[in-house]
Amino acid sequence: GDSVTQMEGPVTLSEEAFLTINCTYTATGYPSLFWYVQYPGEGLQLLLKATKADDKGSNKGFEATYRKETTSFHLEKGSVQVSDSAVYFCALSDQGFQKLVFGTGTRLLVSP
Amino acid sequence: DAGVIQSPRHEVTEMGQEVTLRCKPISGHNSLFWYRQTMMRGLELLIYFNNNVPIDDSGMPEDRFSAKMPNASFSTLKIQPSEPRDSAVYFCASLPSNGHEQFFGPGTRLTVL
Repeated sequence: GDSVTQMEGPVTLSEEAFLTINCTYTATGYPSLFWYVQYPGEGLQLLLKATKADDKGSNKGFEATYRKETTSFHLEKGSVQVSDSAVYFCALSDQGFQKLVFGTGTRLLVSP
Repeated sequence: DAGVIQSPRHEVTEMGQEVTLRCKPISGHNSLFWYRQTMMRGLELLIYFNNNVPIDDSGMPEDRFSAKMPNASFSTLKIQPSEPRDSAVYFCASLPSNGHEQFFGPGTRLTVL
């Protein structure tokens, strides 16, 4: 079945450092790809998405490019802030955008 | 819009008791999802509804779990009887018919003693 693999956390960075969180997927067909973010004590929020190969999703300084050849959707940000500390989930949807398959999540800790 | 509303936000109960979690999706959204989040298993899809009809309940752990959606604005997830291993955060999410983004509620933190 479809699956998403994320890098293990936590990822610990200093403010203004460069961030990469790796995500690879396995799917039949042509999935849409998503990054969700979960702040402490809250539900998940969509951060960005890409619906076809070579699309780049971006939001709040975060970016991810849909790479079909490497089945990857790595999340990047050029300069992280303390307020970016959260858990980040990579996900795919392969059935009319309804059912999401999530990765295990990667916790990001940013220190001042 | 108020977003997805879940109640209660926190529930502490004793093993063997019945627990009912409630969800009000965003008005106009026609798909609703129930998830469970634990440290050990991460985020798991339990069941989802489309136009109030259960489409996929393959994630429901066992017969102790049941979910209903009597109308477009309300859903329940019931656990009877509850067990300590059911302790988790339960999220509800809704999705519009023409959208890609699932909108999550704040979750219900369930503790079964």
